[in-house]
Amino acid sequence: AAGVIQSPRHLIKEKRETATLKCYPIPRHDTVYWYQQGPGQDPQFLISFYEKMQSDKGSIPDRFSAQQFSDYHSELNMSSLELGDSALYFCASSSDRGQNEQFFGPGTRLTVL
Amino acid sequence: QQQVKQSPQSLIVQKGGIPIINCAYENTAFDYFPWYQQFPGKGPALLIAIRPDVSEKKEGRFTISFNKSAKQFSLHIMDSQPGDSATYFCAASEGTSYGKLTFGQGTILTVHP
Repeated sequence: AAGVIQSPRHLIKEKRETATLKCYPIPRHDTVYWYQQGPGQDPQFLISFYEKMQSDKGSIPDRFSAQQFSDYHSELNMSSLELGDSALYFCASSSDRGQNEQFFGPGTRLTVL
Repeated sequence: QQQVKQSPQSLIVQKGGIPIINCAYENTAFDYFPWYQQFPGKGPALLIAIRPDVSEKKEGRFTISFNKSAKQFSLHIMDSQPGDSATYFCAASEGTSYGKLTFGQGTILTVHP
């Protein structure tokens, strides 16, 4: 079965640089979520999209923005990167307006030097 | 403030043992309670989930017990195996919030051969 695809899998950036993370949801899933997981921490919700519109927003810094495109893939844009942004970033997708199970991608490990 | 509290932080059992992980929540609007298994560097994988209209759900070796009045739920792993060694997260979501998940702090389970 098709799973959530994330790219790149690893990313190394310098402080104050910009990063773009991509997520391709499971086919026919209409809702996409982004989560951030620091070392030894639980995943923290950042933002979600339903049918290309932002549906909910969590603890996402103003330096971050995201969008969902017409093909349902989503991108998380992160600017002015800080050391504290180093984390695993997960994308998850769900069907039926998020009423069903969320399936997570393999994650993008971002390291900010 | 952690909306979903999980315990214990770590757990060590022998092969064949029955580890039990507990979670408690405060938000009575939560109506969906999944459990995820995560291996190092990987995305969380959905194990089993329950809604408040049932008190117990079993899938294979995994069982969720749910106590709505106490606002608690737990995961039991029957006949645990070394391959079950992973971090387990409980989570919760509200039906009105397009499914964003609030996670517990995680439990690191080690199953010795």
